[in-house]
Amino acid sequence: SQQGEEDPQALSIQEGENATMNCSYKTSINNLQWYRQNSGRGLVHLILIRSNEREKHSGRLRVTLDTSKKSSSLLITASRAADTASYFCATVPNSGGYQKVTFGIGTKLQVIP
Amino acid sequence: EAQVTQNPRYLITVTGKKLTVTCSQNMNHEYMSWYRQDPGLGLRQIYYSMNVEVTDKGDVPEGYKVSRKEKRNFPLILESPSPNQTSLYFCASSLQGRTPLHFGNGTRLTVT
Repeated sequence: SQQGEEDPQALSIQEGENATMNCSYKTSINNLQWYRQNSGRGLVHLILIRSNEREKHSGRLRVTLDTSKKSSSLLITASRAADTASYFCATVPNSGGYQKVTFGIGTKLQVIP
Repeated sequence: EAQVTQNPRYLITVTGKKLTVTCSQNMNHEYMSWYRQDPGLGLRQIYYSMNVEVTDKGDVPEGYKVSRKEKRNFPLILESPSPNQTSLYFCASSLQGRTPLHFGNGTRLTVT
C-alpha cells in the first residue's frame, strides 16, 4: 500500500515562482524524507525531517511537518528551470517495520524558463 | 566516489528466462533495498536487507528473490520473469534503515 501520497501530481510554474508540494501519510512515522528524481534516473535525497521537528530548511528548500494532520509540505523558493524533476516523499514508520521506507507516487514539477 | 552501482542499465528478455540484476555499494552501508517504479504507482519496495544474511519482503516480493552474502552486494533475481515484471528497478542503500537512501541509476527491464 502507498504510505505517502503527494499532491498535486503535476505542477507547472514560471521560473522565479515558488513551488509547493504536499505529502499525506497514514501511520505514525519516525521521519519523513523528500527525494528528487530527474527523468528516469535514480532518486536523490533532499531533506529529512524527524517526527519531533516541525520545520527544516536547506538552501531554497523548506519542509514542514504536521504530525497531527499526518502531512508534510516541500516548498522550493525562487524556482529555476533546473528544478524540473519529480519529487517524492518517503516515510519511515515509527515501530516494527521501520526498515520499510515507503514512497508516494510523486509530484512532477515543470519550471518554465 | 560513494555510489550504488546497478547492472545492467537496460535489459530485454523473454518470459521464463532467469535473470539477475546486480547491485553493489561502496559505502559500507548495512541497509539495502530494491524498488520497482511503474507509472502512476510510484516506487514500491520489493525486498530489503538489514545486513548480511538478513533479508525480508517488501510490499511486492512475488516473483523475485534476493540474497545478501556480502555486505556490498544485493542482487535481485527473477527466476521466471513475466511481462508484468516489465518495469524500472532501483537498488538503494543506507547506513541504517531509517537514514537517507542512496540510489543506483536504475535498470530498465522489458520482458516480452
